[in-house]
Amino acid sequence: AQSVTQLGSHVSVSEGALVLLRCNYSSSVPPYLFWYVQYPNQGLQLLLKYTTGATLVKGINGFEAEFKKSETSFHLTKPSAHMSDAAEYFCAVSDDRGSTLGRLYFGRGTQLTVWP
Amino acid sequence: GVTQSPTHLIKTRGQQVTLRCSSQSGHNTVSWYQQALGQGPQFIFQYYREEENGRGNFPPRFSGLQFPNDSSELNVNALELDDSALYLCASSVDSQLYNEQFFGPGTRLTVL
Repeated sequence: AQSVTQLGSHVSVSEGALVLLRCNYSSSVPPYLFWYVQYPNQGLQLLLKYTTGATLVKGINGFEAEFKKSETSFHLTKPSAHMSDAAEYFCAVSDDRGSTLGRLYFGRGTQLTVWP
Repeated sequence: GVTQSPTHLIKTRGQQVTLRCSSQSGHNTVSWYQQALGQGPQFIFQYYREEENGRGNFPPRFSGLQFPNDSSELNVNALELDDSALYLCASSVDSQLYNEQFFGPGTRLTVL
């Protein structure tokens, strides 16, 4: 079965500091991996995705993530936090390669707080 | 984009509710997710070309419909207190690589 573990339900950083949000996954097949961001009272916005190819993936708003198969990890980073980054972040995995399903399995989320 | 209605809804236990979603134009797949407070979204089911294409661990009182005009519905019968959650729909189009899902803003359902 597929599952996602996000270590740390809350992460606090100062503005300008490095952001590191951790995600480990479990999948029986090579997965597709995603990071989504959710602002208050809004839906989910895709930050970045890994499907195939280069393991370092760059996304929107300066975020990037690296797929490490040996560690079954897909941690999200940003070199310098901005106040506008404060939000809930979800890691997700999908293993429905070659099918139309594309079901996503989400972690429980990490709330990022950015201090001025 | 993907739109959902209503934004908020309050029901009482035992009632029935219908939530609506308008997919992105041209998308033939819609998925529904339940996001309980403090949790990540959980897959309810997916409709592909108007037929159910997969279901998560949800009872049959959760049902859906997909229409040819890019709209879809999530119906929940016999509401329970634990059904209180944010319900998200996501539309996508089948592709050879993967199906990127575009999420709507959600409907927040409160069951009293």
